Amino acid sequence: AQKITQTQPGMFVQEKEAVTLDCTYDTSDPSYGLFWYKQPSSGEMIFLIYQGSYDQQNATEGRYSLNFQKARKSANLVISASQLGDSAMYFCAITGQNTGFQKLVFGTGTRLLVSP
Amino acid sequence: EAQVTQNPRYLITVTGKKLTVTCSQNMNHEYMSWYRQDPGLGLRQIYYSMNVEVTDKGDVPEGYKVSRKEKRNFPLILESPSPNQTSLYFCASSLGGDLGEQYFGPGTRLTVT
Repeated sequence: AQKITQTQPGMFVQEKEAVTLDCTYDTSDPSYGLFWYKQPSSGEMIFLIYQGSYDQQNATEGRYSLNFQKARKSANLVISASQLGDSAMYFCAITGQNTGFQKLVFGTGTRLLVSP
Repeated sequence: EAQVTQNPRYLITVTGKKLTVTCSQNMNHEYMSWYRQDPGLGLRQIYYSMNVEVTDKGDVPEGYKVSRKEKRNFPLILESPSPNQTSLYFCASSLGGDLGEQYFGPGTRLTVT
């Protein structure tokens, strides 16, 4: 079975500062992928970044980077230069080989508030 | 534009009245899924489909049915809705395999009274 743990129910950051959202995972899959999604108050799920378990380099997408530490089973999201529009819920999710990469298991999310 | 569409976006219904939430994708994706989102629980998979006529249960399939008669469509059917199925529902699609992103629809907010 796979599990995602997000221990921060809420985070506050000031505009232009960097913030790290924590995610730890548990899986028995030999091959797996980790995702981060953003859910603004409007409700849609917006894909941010993906990291495959065999990727040698940490994934980056613009202001988003994923700090992947395989031995520690962590996949933290780093948002650099926070903007007011970054205020949202953030979900970490995992998929794996044993489910044909067709099942995403989500954490409970972290609500990020960016203040001016 | 590549997208996943869901209809309706909002629905209020009564216990026991059958309903269908439609999902359609225009990306020729093999794989499609349904998730429900409840406060404090994140998203949980209801059903998924790996191809036409191939469907399987996710983590919370009780009270739901699905069908995949065409590649682009994956409707979610609630034969006899109950109040505990009040939730936010998402359809998702993907190419399949370890190929990254699952594309999500805009969500359907369902209230069963």
